[in-house]
Amino acid sequence: TQLLEQSPQFLSIQEGENLTVYCNSSSVFSSLQWYRQEPGEGPVLLVTVVTGGEVKKLKRLTFQFGDARKDSSLHITAAQPGDTGLYLCAAKPSGGYQKVTFGTGTKLQVIP
Amino acid sequence: ETGVTQTPRHLVMGMTNKKSLKCEQHLGHNAMYWYKQSAKKPLELMFVYSLEERVENNSVPSRFSPECPNSSHLFLHLHTLQPEDSALYLCASSQRTGDYEQYFGPGTRLTVT
Repeated sequence: TQLLEQSPQFLSIQEGENLTVYCNSSSVFSSLQWYRQEPGEGPVLLVTVVTGGEVKKLKRLTFQFGDARKDSSLHITAAQPGDTGLYLCAAKPSGGYQKVTFGTGTKLQVIP
Repeated sequence: ETGVTQTPRHLVMGMTNKKSLKCEQHLGHNAMYWYKQSAKKPLELMFVYSLEERVENNSVPSRFSPECPNSSHLFLHLHTLQPEDSALYLCASSQRTGDYEQYFGPGTRLTVT
C-alpha cells in the first residue's frame, strides 16, 4: 500500500494570509492530483501534475510536483474564506496498472 | 443534470434495514467507483466497475453489495449494517479504469443507528 502523508492536518488562518500544504511519500508516482472538498460535498479536482518539477498555477493557487515525483506542495496566496475546505492529494504509483491512493487531507479554515 | 449525482444525500437506517444508494454519471465515462470516507481516515476505495463489470473489490464486507446495470448507473445495496459503517459514501467516475482524474458526486451521508 502506497502511503501519502499530508501536512499539516489542520490549518486555521486569517483572510489575506499565505499558506503552503504538503503531500509526501516514499514512493515515486506517475501523476499526482489535488482535490478540494467543501463540507457536505464530494472532492473536486483542482489540478493534475505529471512531470517532475512541474509547477501549475490556478489563480491564487500554485501547485508543484517534486523533482523526484515523490512529493507535492500547494501554496495559496492571500487566502479567502472561499478557500476553506479539505485539501486532498491523490497519486497513482508508477508502473503498470495501479489504483489511485488518497492522502488523509489538510483541513483549511480561512477566517474573515 | 451534469456531472455525477448521488441519491439520497442523507440516510439514517437501523441495523436491520435494507437500503440502496444510487449514483448516476452524465459524463460518458466507462469506469465507476464507490469510496467510503470516514473521519480522520483516507478515502477508502470499495469497488471499481469498468463497463458494468466489477474489476476490483477491496475486501469489503458482504453487507455491501454493488450493482452496475449500465455504464451510467451504479448502486450500493446495504443490509444489516453496523454503526461503524456510518460514513460519507462517495461515487466517482473516470474515462477509463485507472485514470487518475476522477469526478466525484456529492456523496451520501449514512448514519447507522
